Amino acid sequence: QVTLRESGPALVKPTQTLTLTCSFSGFSLSTTEMCVSWVRQPPGKALEWLALIHWDDDKYYSTSLKTRLTISKDTSKNQVVLTMTNMDPVDTATYYCARTHVNSRGYYADYWGQGTLVTVSS
Amino acid sequence: DIQMTQSPSSLSASVGDRVTITCRASQTIANYLNWFQQKPGKAPKLLVFGASSLQSGVPSRFSGSGSGTDFTLSISSLQPEDFATYYCQETYRTPHTFGQGTRLEIK
Repeated sequence: QVTLRESGPALVKPTQTLTLTCSFSGFSLSTTEMCVSWVRQPPGKALEWLALIHWDDDKYYSTSLKTRLTISKDTSKNQVVLTMTNMDPVDTATYYCARTHVNSRGYYADYWGQGTLVTVSS
Repeated sequence: DIQMTQSPSSLSASVGDRVTITCRASQTIANYLNWFQQKPGKAPKLLVFGASSLQSGVPSRFSGSGSGTDFTLSISSLQPEDFATYYCQETYRTPHTFGQGTRLEIK
């Protein structure tokens, strides 16, 4: 059974760094074609893709946010960590992590965490 | 970045109706297109990947088609549980951009 769970602070102050952890079970991030993605959704708005890490440690980022984002994995702990620096109130959103496959049909996120709401406010 | 444009932005329909949602990419993305369903307060659910491959467990009334720049998600006979917001996503090139969403409401 595949499960993912996001954890981190519910409230951060402007200019602070956000650190979110995705803890997962039921799959291994050392398996070929396996990835983990991060996606966020501001209240009442659309989904926004943030970052992706491959089983082989290749990493990809949102163009507009790449200077602020870092994604990393700890395969032994079954965790993926996303950090976002210089948080701003516009970064208030629900943050999701998702197991993502890559193969001849592209990338597809088939299991998602429940999401964690992060509010940026002083 | 590739831009994804969905139409319509919202749609009212009745149970039993057939509906079609369109997604257009700003450049060719071959068939690297996913569709998700999202209900309020819930995580997105994968419906279709690779433009036309139905995810395991998704009812056969859902279908996806298209290639290149133009794609559609069709629901053959709307059920009450299908009223939700639908998103397309390209995975041809990072960043894997989502469309702005289509809200499907009960008429």
